[in-house]
Amino acid sequence: ETGVTQTPRHLVMGMTNKKSLKCEQHLGHNAMYWYKQSAKKPLELMFVYNFKEQTENNSVPSRFSPECPNSSHLFLHLHTLQPEDSALYLCASSQVQGAYNEQFFGPGTRLTVL
Amino acid sequence: AQSVTQLDSQVPVFEEAPVELRCNYSSSVSVYLFWYVQYPNQGLQLLLKYLSGSTLVKGINGFEAEFNKSQTSFHLRKPSVHISDTAEYFCAVSGLYGGSQGNLIFGKGTKLSVKP
Repeated sequence: ETGVTQTPRHLVMGMTNKKSLKCEQHLGHNAMYWYKQSAKKPLELMFVYNFKEQTENNSVPSRFSPECPNSSHLFLHLHTLQPEDSALYLCASSQVQGAYNEQFFGPGTRLTVL
Repeated sequence: AQSVTQLDSQVPVFEEAPVELRCNYSSSVSVYLFWYVQYPNQGLQLLLKYLSGSTLVKGINGFEAEFNKSQTSFHLRKPSVHISDTAEYFCAVSGLYGGSQGNLIFGKGTKLSVKP
C-alpha cells in the first residue's frame, strides 16, 4: 500500500449504530487530519493530530470521536449519528502540521446515515 | 480568519480550449495558496501551490496560477484542456500566523467539464 488509505470506502449505518472509519498513511508523516465533504459546501476541517496529539477540534459534535494511536493510523468513531452527517469523510496527512506542508489525501469514506 | 470564494460552481468547456477557474480569498495575515483537484471517486491531489517568490506558479498537468496580492486572487489557468481534466477543482488558503496556522480553508469547488 502506498499513500493514504481509508476503509471502508462506503458505509451505511442507522442512527443508533456505532461504527469506525480507519485511515492509514504510509508516508512517514506526523500530522493527520479528518475532513468532512458535503455537497454544495466547502471541505470542513474536523480534527488535526500532530505527533499523536490532538491540536484542532473544529467544534465537531461529540457523536464524532477521533483516535490517533500512532502517527500512521487515525480513526473516527461514530455514534448515534444524524442523517445530516451523511457525507464523504476524507483523511489527510502531512509531514508535520504547518502552512507550508503539502497535505496528501485518501480516497474517502462515503457515509450514509439512514 | 481566512475565507475563499470560487466564483463559478461549474465551468463547461470544449476540448483544446483554454480555461480559467477563478479564486478570490480574504485574510488579515499573509497566506499560502493552493489548488487541489479531485477526480471522481478519489481524494484530493495537489495541483500547485504559492508559498513565496514568483507570482506565476506552474503545477502538474499543464496548469498554472497567478497570485495577485492587490486583487487577492489566485486564478487557475490551462491553455488547452483535455477530456481527462474533467474533475472538481478546489482553491485553498492557509494563514502563516495566528491560531490554526497551517490549517487549510477551502472554497466550495469548481466542477470543470470538458466536452469533445
